[in-house]
Amino acid sequence: GAVVSQHPSRVICKSGTSVKIECRSLDFQATTMFWYRQFPKQSLMLMATSNEGSKATYEQGVEKDKFLINHASLTLSTLTVTSAHPEDSSFYICSARVLGQGGNTEAFFGQGTRLTVV
Amino acid sequence: AQSVTQLGSHVSVSEGALVLLRCNYSSSVPPYLFWYVQYPNQGLQLLLKYTSAATLVKGINGFEAEFKKSETSFHLTKPSAHMSDAAEYFCAVSEGGGSYIPTFGRGTSLIVHP
Repeated sequence: GAVVSQHPSRVICKSGTSVKIECRSLDFQATTMFWYRQFPKQSLMLMATSNEGSKATYEQGVEKDKFLINHASLTLSTLTVTSAHPEDSSFYICSARVLGQGGNTEAFFGQGTRLTVV
Repeated sequence: AQSVTQLGSHVSVSEGALVLLRCNYSSSVPPYLFWYVQYPNQGLQLLLKYTSAATLVKGINGFEAEFKKSETSFHLTKPSAHMSDAAEYFCAVSEGGGSYIPTFGRGTSLIVHP
């Protein structure tokens, strides 16, 4: 299957700083990428849908000024957590959607990024 | 609107025993259904998916799931558990067609005892 690379896998930052997480589709072009947040022992919560060349669509309750998403190319989307606080500590996962015919639409997931804000 | 309910946050089995992870869905349109596996500190890997073709779907690692419309269920099974199957499993539903914005269940942690 297609490969999605997410970087970094782990990051520790100080409270008040910003952190950028990259999501790359390595062998395909992704017009749409998704960003999820996962709390310990819980499911994935969709934060936003990132469309190449346009503004991201944020889910209700997600602060767009806090979580900046940029999808500048067909293979790269970035999530920047601005002015991070300890409560932003979480596991962030991106996925890239591959549109197909006959039910072959599928999303491929990155490895996730463990963010710890101290 | 669509939703997924995974019954049981934890399922414990012995190595070699049958694995059964339950998933019930709700969808206002014909659904696409998915099972994903997540190992610690990793992303999700697709096990199998149902996209309105055969109701019995076979996936990787010996897993399979059966779509039962009358029961709105998509339970995941494996005849014989291996230690390496221990992981978190997520059921997901999306609207049929090309939109693919899945809604995930809360996950079931599979524990395999030697």
